[in-house]
Amino acid sequence: GAVVSQHPSRVICKSGTSVKIECRSLDFQATTMFWYRQFPKQSLMLMATSNEGSKATYEQGVEKDKFLINHASLTLSTLTVTSAHPEDSSFYICSASTGAKDEQFFGPGTRLTVL
Amino acid sequence: QKEVEQNSGPLSVPEGAIASLNCTYSDRVSQSFFWYRQYSGKSPELIMSIYSNGDKEDGRFTAQLNKASQYVSLLIRDSQPSDSATYLCAVANYGQNFVFGPGTRLSVLP
Repeated sequence: GAVVSQHPSRVICKSGTSVKIECRSLDFQATTMFWYRQFPKQSLMLMATSNEGSKATYEQGVEKDKFLINHASLTLSTLTVTSAHPEDSSFYICSASTGAKDEQFFGPGTRLTVL
Repeated sequence: QKEVEQNSGPLSVPEGAIASLNCTYSDRVSQSFFWYRQYSGKSPELIMSIYSNGDKEDGRFTAQLNKASQYVSLLIRDSQPSDSATYLCAVANYGQNFVFGPGTRLSVLP
């Protein structure tokens, strides 16, 4: 149980394009989903928290107009990186929580490379 | 600023030994504590959660929590080379303020 998928697993795009990443909880309903970014050899950095049907809460320093988050259902959240630039190249990881016991279950991550 | 601290390592232990990973946190009202394992290039995987003071054992893993000292640890018995990874400590408070530590890199030497 508690399986979270992400798609795509890897994406390479040109500077200025937008990229959408999907996060799905496959066998449970996620009341809350989280989006993280991780640069090489660094720790996880929380970008935003989203609840189904509500606007996402962004962490300080994360541009909400650049990183668009939609949490349309209890099993799906999407992160769109708009007008991506090389400095946005990173490992993006989502996690999902049922709310019970605070546990978060992570998706496999999406490696974004912006040329 | 709520903080979770861990030694970055690397912590090197020989195969078969006990690996001891430590974590301290600043938010006294924290109620939920987690250990995640992250292999290089992969996403974190939940290996232990603990909510009450004392020890919790699961196979070769034992989590220890001391809320008075704001300290949580993870022991890995009979360490294997496949345990080599970064171990992340995380702390939360009933769905609020979920904070990860920077992680400790563990290397188990064959």
